[in-house]
Amino acid sequence: DVKVTQSSRYLVKRTGEKVFLECVQDMDHENMFWYRQDPGLGLRLIYFSYDVKMKEKGDIPEGYSVSREKKERFSLILESASTNQTSMYLCASSPAVGAGQYFGPGTRLTVT
Amino acid sequence: GNSVTQMEGPVTLSEEAFLTINCTYTATGYPSLFWYVQYPGEGLQLLLKATKADDKGSNKGFEATYRKETTSFHLEKGSVQVSDSAVYFCALDAFTGANSKLTFGKGITLSVRP
Repeated sequence: DVKVTQSSRYLVKRTGEKVFLECVQDMDHENMFWYRQDPGLGLRLIYFSYDVKMKEKGDIPEGYSVSREKKERFSLILESASTNQTSMYLCASSPAVGAGQYFGPGTRLTVT
Repeated sequence: GNSVTQMEGPVTLSEEAFLTINCTYTATGYPSLFWYVQYPGEGLQLLLKATKADDKGSNKGFEATYRKETTSFHLEKGSVQVSDSAVYFCALDAFTGANSKLTFGKGITLSVRP
């Protein structure tokens, strides 16, 4: 089975802090993704990556950056956390087009 | 662009009732279609998929058939259980060069009462 793990299930940070969310997949997938999920807004794509050291902006990249130094690890960075970034963050990986994406358990981030 | 439309929710059913959740899509080319399920407090799990017209995906008693003529991928289950209570998302993955990018519907909450 594909396993996607995220570093924390719950996280509480203060406004202005730099926040790192880590995601690791164990199936040698090329593609990795970060989403946020908010009530009434569904899932929105923040960033994605098709290969090591490459990244592309999704639909809502503002206030976020990413890092992919190794194939299995994709990090989401909140440079200066704000209260409107309180959300559920979901990481996913995919082997190829049409194969679907496999999601981690999510990190519920609260920024106070 | 690509889009996925799911029926409005929430849906509440009694145990052993028949379930249909409607999903229609708009896409260029020939997308793959998926249903995902999200249990409370969890991430999304891939429930089933279909990669070409007339394919039927199935898993855990759920089924969905890829209907190109009606651009639909409706989810069905003959007899729901309380444990099926969750949020269900329809999604498509359209070929964009060499890369994979999902388009999701808004999701629908299913509650099954004993």
